[in-house]
Amino acid sequence: AQSVTQPDIHITVSEGASLELRCNYSYGATPYLFWYVQSPGQGLQLLLKYFSGDTLVQGIKGFEAEFKRSQSSFNLRKPSVHWSDAAEYFCAVVRTGGGNKLTFGTGTQLKVEL
Amino acid sequence: DAGVIQSPRHEVTEMGQEVTLRCKPISGHDYLFWYRQTMMRGLELLIYFNNNVPIDDSGMPEDRFSAKMPNASFSTLKIQPSEPRDSAVYFCASSFGQVGTYEQYFGPGTRLTVT
Repeated sequence: AQSVTQPDIHITVSEGASLELRCNYSYGATPYLFWYVQSPGQGLQLLLKYFSGDTLVQGIKGFEAEFKRSQSSFNLRKPSVHWSDAAEYFCAVVRTGGGNKLTFGTGTQLKVEL
Repeated sequence: DAGVIQSPRHEVTEMGQEVTLRCKPISGHDYLFWYRQTMMRGLELLIYFNNNVPIDDSGMPEDRFSAKMPNASFSTLKIQPSEPRDSAVYFCASSFGQVGTYEQYFGPGTRLTVT
């Protein structure tokens, strides 16, 4: 069965610093990959997605993610974090040809220090 | 579009009572999903529908849970009888198409507390 691992439960960065959130997946073939963000008291919002093609994908709010097949990773990055980026971030995967079911990681809680 | 609408936003009920959560998906979307989010188990898919038909309910925890989608613009998740361990945030999400996009639009959630 496919799985998604987000090894960092909590991350704290200073405003203006760069950010990288880690995501590893376990699946034989290349799945579809996603990053979602959840602000407090809100539902999840899609930041970006990877299906195929260019392994560096751009998303909303200045985020990007890079798919690395050799490492089974899909890490999320942002060059300069803003205080409003404080939220919980979820990596998710859909097995190609496996219907429309997202499997979510456990999430990484981002705290931004001013 | 108003996005996915869920009601109520908060529900407090006593153990043994019936609880009904409601969802209105985005117009034109043909997939609807129900998720449950808890600290212990994270975000879990309970059930999803395609064109109003339940496709996979393997995530429904037990027979106390049931979900319906009588038409393309409305779905309910019912818990009867409710138990304290059902306390969680329940999200509804919708999307359009299976291939090419898996962007699911989430509602704001219903926070359920069972005392």
